Formats: sequence, structure tokens, C-alpha cells
Amino acid sequence: NAGVTQTPKFRILKIGQSMTLQCAQDMNHNYMYWYRQDPGMGLKLIYYSVGAGITDKGEVPNGYNVSRSTTEDFPLRLELAAPSQTSVYFCASSYVQGQLDGYTFGSGTRLTVV
Amino acid sequence: DQQVKQNSPSLSVQEGRISILNCDYTNSMFDYFLWYKKYPAEGPTFLISISSIKDKNEDGRFTVFLNKSAKHLSLHIVPSQPGDSAVYFCAASGNSGNTPLVFGKGTRLSVIA
Repeated sequence: NAGVTQTPKFRILKIGQSMTLQCAQDMNHNYMYWYRQDPGMGLKLIYYSVGAGITDKGEVPNGYNVSRSTTEDFPLRLELAAPSQTSVYFCASSYVQGQLDGYTFGSGTRLTVV
Repeated sequence: DQQVKQNSPSLSVQEGRISILNCDYTNSMFDYFLWYKKYPAEGPTFLISISSIKDKNEDGRFTVFLNKSAKHLSLHIVPSQPGDSAVYFCAASGNSGNTPLVFGKGTRLSVIA
């Protein structure tokens, strides 16, 4: 079972560059999420999706875009990278939302913007 | 405005003793509470959860206690083992429609042999 796969694991971007963080899950989960974790901070929700074709903003969506064309994939797009976007990004998925089974997380993408 | 607060950034405990990690929340609409464990360079992994209709849930060495009136929950690990050394995140959500998990800042637990 691959679970949730994130690529790349590491990336260094220059200010103003763009990139897409990839996230794929093979558990047929309806719900998918993007969180970022800054040093000493908890996970903050960027965007989430309740199913293919449906996305919604989380707590910190500015500077990011998402799409959900299939159940399996939920890419996160940074259009104009800024130093404030230096962080570790985690993708997660779940079968249901607001329940007790929790989310399955990927291993993260560590992004540095210089 | 933090809805889920973990006020202790770190905790050190001797092997074999009890570890108690605390979490407070402000949103009275939260119905589900979860604990996650995170090792360096890995994603968080689900540990244990509790719903608001219960005040205790146990799974092996891990027990979560919920005090709804105080908006407080705690995770007890007994006995603590060196492999338990990790960052522990408290998370909460409501039970209606679009309510993703809200996470605390985490507590770094060090279990000393």
C-alpha cells in the first residue's frame, strides 16, 4: 500500500519562480488536504477538497492554488514563490471528514524559497 | 486566534514513567479530538482519538482523557519508552460537513533511557 505519495521531497526555489507540489493517494479517499508546517508551529490548512472537482480554502490559502480533477490527485501550485512560503508541506487524505479515524499523511515536501 | 492550544513546547520523561501531554481548545463546536505522533522527516501518524460523548479512550499504553466542561484533553503514555520520543500534535474538528482538522503547535516528548 503506497498510501499518500508526495513529490518532490525537497526543493529550492528562487523568489518569483513557480512550482507544483504533487500529491497522490491510492486509498480511494474522497477527502484530501494540504497543510503547511512552519518551525515551532502546528499544521495550518491551506486548501482542501471533498471530492473531484470541489475545492475550498483553508486558513492560509494566499499564494497557492489547487485543482482536483481526479479522486487520486490533489496538486498544490505556487505561482510566485516568496520567502514566506518556505515551509514543510504535507498532503493528507481521509475517507470521511470529522470522524475518529484520522487522516493519512504523506511524508512531506520541504520547500525553501531564496 | 488559536483554537487548539498545546502550551508545553517540550516534555522530558524517564523511561518507564508516565508521560502526560496536555491540550486545550476554545471552540465548543468541536466534537472529535485526535492525537498524532510525528517523527523527524516523516508525516504525522494517527495515534488515538475520542469523541465528545466519551471522557476516556484507551489503546494499549495510550489513553486520552476529555474534560468537555474545561475544554481540555490529555494524552497519557504508560509506560513511556524511548521509541515514544517524537512530536505529538493535538487536533480537533466538528462533526458537520466541511470541518477539517485544526491542529495545535505540538509538544516534543523526549523519553530518556
